[in-house]
Amino acid sequence: QSVLTQPPSVSGAPGQRVTISCTGSSSNIGAGYDVHWYQQLPGTAPKLLISNNSNRPSGVPDRFSGSKSGTSASLAITGLQAEDEAGYYCHSYDSSLSGAVFGGGTKLTVL
Amino acid sequence: QVTLRESGPALVKPTQTLTLTCTFSGFSLSTSGMCVSWIRQPPGKALEWLALIDWDDDKYYSTSLKTRLTISKDTSKNQVVLTMTNMDPVDTATYYCARIPSGSGSCLDYWGQGTLVTVSS
Repeated sequence: QSVLTQPPSVSGAPGQRVTISCTGSSSNIGAGYDVHWYQQLPGTAPKLLISNNSNRPSGVPDRFSGSKSGTSASLAITGLQAEDEAGYYCHSYDSSLSGAVFGGGTKLTVL
Repeated sequence: QVTLRESGPALVKPTQTLTLTCTFSGFSLSTSGMCVSWIRQPPGKALEWLALIDWDDDKYYSTSLKTRLTISKDTSKNQVVLTMTNMDPVDTATYYCARIPSGSGSCLDYWGQGTLVTVSS
């Protein structure tokens, strides 16, 4: 059971908008720790998608955006494309565990 | 250009000790604020953070695994080593090392390709 909770799967048609939630608690996201998002294409290593809640690294399309509020964070993907089909993970720090924590991952299917 | 590469045995027997090496280039672990983490991912499952070492040689471990883990660095060789004792089949996973850049907080901006470790007799 992951400390950060994500939906196991989401889906959307090409061109649509989807959001992936990441729910934490008062010892991680709610304590003000930053949330980062990673995209993992099948058979590859995770790739940083969003850093520090809402920052897009160079090269990441602006179709991807992140936000954080209270004890939760969200990743939004607009204009869905077939190449977005992947696993997505959120990541933060937990003060009660004194270490990094990940969400359980969300598989995005593009219909 | 930042790169990281994990190396180590593909197969270990139960109760053995696993030693993995992360060899990196494009940055120095002696730069203030720089860190390297180890993360693993069992087949078909989620990512799990294992350990972190920073530029000042401070070390941090997963609470659930800290009795079995040791992380160290060799700055001159640009390497970070992770050892995990008493390996069990449930430790079968792809093991990744990743960089936390200075001033970024905690995001893992570059990852190695990962190395699959199978624990079986």
